[in-house]
Amino acid sequence: SQQGEEDPQALSIQEGENATMNCSYKTSINNLQWYRQNSGRGLVHLILIRSNEREKHSGRLRVTLDTSKKSSSLLITASRAADTASYFCATDAGIQGAQKLVFGQGTRLTINP
Amino acid sequence: DGGITQSPKYLFRKEGQNVTLSCEQNLNHDAMYWYRQDPGQGLRLIYYSQIVNDFQKGDIAEGYSVSREKKESFPLTVTSAQKNPTAFYLCASSTAGQASRANYGYTFGSGTRLTVV
Repeated sequence: SQQGEEDPQALSIQEGENATMNCSYKTSINNLQWYRQNSGRGLVHLILIRSNEREKHSGRLRVTLDTSKKSSSLLITASRAADTASYFCATDAGIQGAQKLVFGQGTRLTINP
Repeated sequence: DGGITQSPKYLFRKEGQNVTLSCEQNLNHDAMYWYRQDPGQGLRLIYYSQIVNDFQKGDIAEGYSVSREKKESFPLTVTSAQKNPTAFYLCASSTAGQASRANYGYTFGSGTRLTVV
């Protein structure tokens, strides 16, 4: 089951510009997470935002969460060529035990030098 | 260094053959997971395990089997019953406690690319 829907599917911007990706989901969640995947590699955890949080920052990353709209956004400021990757949101709807994350389809971000 | 190791990186399977993908972690994580990723797609959950000697089916378990005999290891077998096994397989691990899941996500391995020949 794909809970997260990401928008846009692909994004191409110039180095130094900001990149914004959006994620919508369907059910109540415990937390929402963002991951990065470089081509042919595993995913890397970027940031986790809990359902009772509205905004979170980590370096050049800013994540917002609107539980009333069941949506989240990931902003990458001052983009660099090394930010070129696919970005996935994932939702955790459980309370205890294993985190059964449900991933979106991803946004493919290309940073042009 | 703590981490999660998948092997092999590339695997080729002949029709009708079972193959086993290895996943080992030294992070002392209780929970482990297997996901499948098809080109340009998100990840779909195959199996997960919360604790040794216990595992649960995910969304696409048909044609796959797993075991969890040790905390560190969660191998995935792709059986001949899986008709379309060509994909990128990702193993992940995480803590499983209620408090820790509010703060930590998954740690992923680097993946195994399986191709049917």
